[in-house]
Amino acid sequence: GAVVSQHPSRVICKSGTSVKIECRSLDFQATTMFWYRQFPKKSLMLMATSNEGSKATYEQGVEKDKFLINHASLTLSTLTVTSAHPEDSSFYICSARDLKWNTRFNEQFFGPGTRLTVL
Amino acid sequence: ILNVEQSPQSLHVQEGDSTNFTCSFPSSNFYALHWYRWETAKSPEALFVMTLNGDEKKKGRISATLNTKEGYSYLYIKGSQPEDSATYLCGRGTGNQFYFGTGTSLTVIP
Repeated sequence: GAVVSQHPSRVICKSGTSVKIECRSLDFQATTMFWYRQFPKKSLMLMATSNEGSKATYEQGVEKDKFLINHASLTLSTLTVTSAHPEDSSFYICSARDLKWNTRFNEQFFGPGTRLTVL
Repeated sequence: ILNVEQSPQSLHVQEGDSTNFTCSFPSSNFYALHWYRWETAKSPEALFVMTLNGDEKKKGRISATLNTKEGYSYLYIKGSQPEDSATYLCGRGTGNQFYFGTGTSLTVIP
């Protein structure tokens, strides 16, 4: 149980295009999904917290117009990197929190990540 | 942003050796501390969720302790095996936000 998928796993795009990444909880419902970005040799940096049915909460320094997050249902959140540039190239990973386990202090289940390369 | 720090950044040990790493974090407004294991090309997998000062948790050869008053947690691996090779992340949560340390990359040499 508690499987999270991400699609695509790898994407290469041209500068100026937009890329959408999907994060799905396959066998549980998630009120909250988190989006992280990993820089080379760095840890996972929290970009935003996505709550079903409401606007995402972005971390300081993350441009909300650049990284559009939509959490339309209890099993799907999407991250759209708009007008991508080479500096947006990174590893993006999502995680989801099981609605049932809200009392378990934020235990998260991670997707496998998406490697974005912007040429 | 909560400053979560981990040390060492990387570690190489021989098979059979025991090892431990440290996670340090601000002790104020503590909510929960998580340890995750992240193998290459896989998703991070939760090892422990710790909430109480003095907590000790164990899963097989891996165990963790928590000191919320001084703001640190230790992860121990007894008798390391090659399959323990991974990056070990600790993260600190406050309500609906969550911040990770830089991770400790463990390589167990057969």
